[in-house]
Amino acid sequence: EAEVAQSPRYKITEKSQAVAFWCDPISGHATLYWYRQILGQGPELLVQFQDESVVDDSQLPKDRFSAERLKGVDSTLKIQPAELGDSAMYLCASSPYYTNTGELFFGEGSRLTVL
Amino acid sequence: AQKVTQAQTEISVVEKEDVTLDCVYETRDTTYYLFWYKQPPSGELVFLIRRNSFDEQNEISGRYSWNFQKSTSSFNFTITASQVVDSAVYFCALWMDSSYKLIFGSGTRLLVRP
Repeated sequence: EAEVAQSPRYKITEKSQAVAFWCDPISGHATLYWYRQILGQGPELLVQFQDESVVDDSQLPKDRFSAERLKGVDSTLKIQPAELGDSAMYLCASSPYYTNTGELFFGEGSRLTVL
Repeated sequence: AQKVTQAQTEISVVEKEDVTLDCVYETRDTTYYLFWYKQPPSGELVFLIRRNSFDEQNEISGRYSWNFQKSTSSFNFTITASQVVDSAVYFCALWMDSSYKLIFGSGTRLLVRP
């Protein structure tokens, strides 16, 4: 069964360092999402791509976070510099098309700990 | 405003008990979809069900059932004869056609004890 791949699964970094997460969506899925899930809370949308274009990044802290999906396939989410409050699970999801009424396919996530 | 509220932070039951997870939503959209996702310890969110705003028929799938009531803006999830493998965090979510966004509640952690 096709899956959304994410790496790394776990990342420990020190405050002020740079960190990057990678996501490979299910083949053929045009829409890709990055969510942040703080411990004990529900996932919060950071950025949404349709192919290589950003559809919504209104919740992305743009002073330190950046996201790209250059060829409309895999995607990278970067944090520089990392802060203590960035400790969270970063979830990637994909769906076949933009208006797919919310049925998203999620990866296992990348858990970030900032010391 | 769009919002999903899961008031139950954590529920603990003994195996074989029935358990209901509550979900209340807010939206001004007339067309929307409601979801339940399961998040086991591995972290992956697993899709359980989707209902659209025009279909209030309750649904049953094995030990799982869902009760959608527009009058109270609720979409509750019941597990019958719970099992230890049902232990996970369950999220209710709302998708609105006006924004193409999926908004999650804060989740309910279910612990099923042997």
